[in-house]
Amino acid sequence: EAQVTQNPRYLITVTGKKLTVTCSQNMNHEYMSWYRQDPGLGLRQIYYSMNVEVTDKGDVPEGYKVSRKEKRNFPLILESPSPNQTSLYFCASGSLGFNGELFFGEGSRLTVL
Amino acid sequence: GIQVEQSPPDLILQEGANSTLRCNFSDSVNNLQWFHQNPWGQLINLFYIPSGTKQNGRLSATTVATERYSLLYISSSQTTDSGVYFCAVDKLIFGTGTRLQVFP
Repeated sequence: EAQVTQNPRYLITVTGKKLTVTCSQNMNHEYMSWYRQDPGLGLRQIYYSMNVEVTDKGDVPEGYKVSRKEKRNFPLILESPSPNQTSLYFCASGSLGFNGELFFGEGSRLTVL
Repeated sequence: GIQVEQSPPDLILQEGANSTLRCNFSDSVNNLQWFHQNPWGQLINLFYIPSGTKQNGRLSATTVATERYSLLYISSSQTTDSGVYFCAVDKLIFGTGTRLQVFP
């Protein structure tokens, strides 16, 4: 089954404790991206990757890092989480970058205390 | 950057009613998708529709790229249609959504 898988789905952590949210897709897509969703602000792009070893900032990259060492994986790293990073995070992948259909993971709800 | 506006912001329907959701965008786009976010937060692809018309069961969508809008039609609505409907363009700039509540 074609899917985008995120882990963990739910996480409560404390300020400053590094964490990684993993994202994996089994569709051989070149394009992957991360979004955060906040009430009243909608979904905003954090980082995206057009292919292996190619990453770029989205609209709200501050406080986040990503890596794309393999085509299928695109982890989101919070080196020193802060409460303003409490949000619902989505990973997405697609075959044609900006111009193709994107598929989303189920979301990861992160709370930073 | 491109602005994406959706209307109405909220919609309350009784089961069986039909509805039309609108998405306006401020510039030409190469990609337009409609999503349904269910009450559990999952984003579900409805349509990839940069132009033209598509239908999938009770749902259909039309994008008129030259006039910079897209419409999502929901016919014979059901309670399971409740949630938030988003349109998104290009590198996925999202609109603010239409919150739909369908009551039995």
